[in-house]
Amino acid sequence: GESVGLHLPTLSVQEGDNSIINCAYSNSASDYFIWYKQESGKGPQFIIDIRSNMDKRQGQRVTVLLNKTVKHLSLQIAATQPGDSAVYFCAEIIYNQGGKLIFGQGTELSVKP
Amino acid sequence: GAVVSQHPSWVICKSGTSVKIECRSLDFQATTMFWYRQFPKQSLMLMATSNEGSKATYEQGVEKDKFLINHASLTLSTLTVTSAHPEDSSFYICSANPGLAGGREQYFGPGTRLTVT
Repeated sequence: GESVGLHLPTLSVQEGDNSIINCAYSNSASDYFIWYKQESGKGPQFIIDIRSNMDKRQGQRVTVLLNKTVKHLSLQIAATQPGDSAVYFCAEIIYNQGGKLIFGQGTELSVKP
Repeated sequence: GAVVSQHPSWVICKSGTSVKIECRSLDFQATTMFWYRQFPKQSLMLMATSNEGSKATYEQGVEKDKFLINHASLTLSTLTVTSAHPEDSSFYICSANPGLAGGREQYFGPGTRLTVT
């Protein structure tokens, strides 16, 4: 079935480096894509989203890139900090399917001090 | 603003008993709430969509008679796991949406850890 998936299950980076977390999706009808951060034992926390008709959106230290040609989404975190260590999920929303979120596999980011 | 709470944060129950989990939107009214289940090292899996005043819509493969959902008010949805078994042990997370039919503005609760012994 249709799903959103990730290339890398784990990512380890050095503090201060930039991190890139990738996500592949298969549904061309997605309206929005969202990145969430989930710390251990907690609920997901919204990071940034991007509408399907955009290819880039920037936030504070984060940038989301969308490549619809290859159905690829990425989250870039600049100057990664220990507090960024968490699991990151991409999710897609398809409004004509009730607007529910479909979550990807997740990538665990570990930041070394 | 936009705070969603869950109660309890963790619960241990014996096999065969039922457990109720509450999801509350504290500072906004939520016409739609969603219930997810998450196993260790896995992603969130949507279980059902709960709409205030109407029956919940369950995802394929989710037993509606086992996972009872009630959305009796605009600030409260409950999930009752009936006749719980060890395989129901999981992290249950709700999200609340202030809009009419889902969308980007989903605010997640902190989750409830259920352990069935």
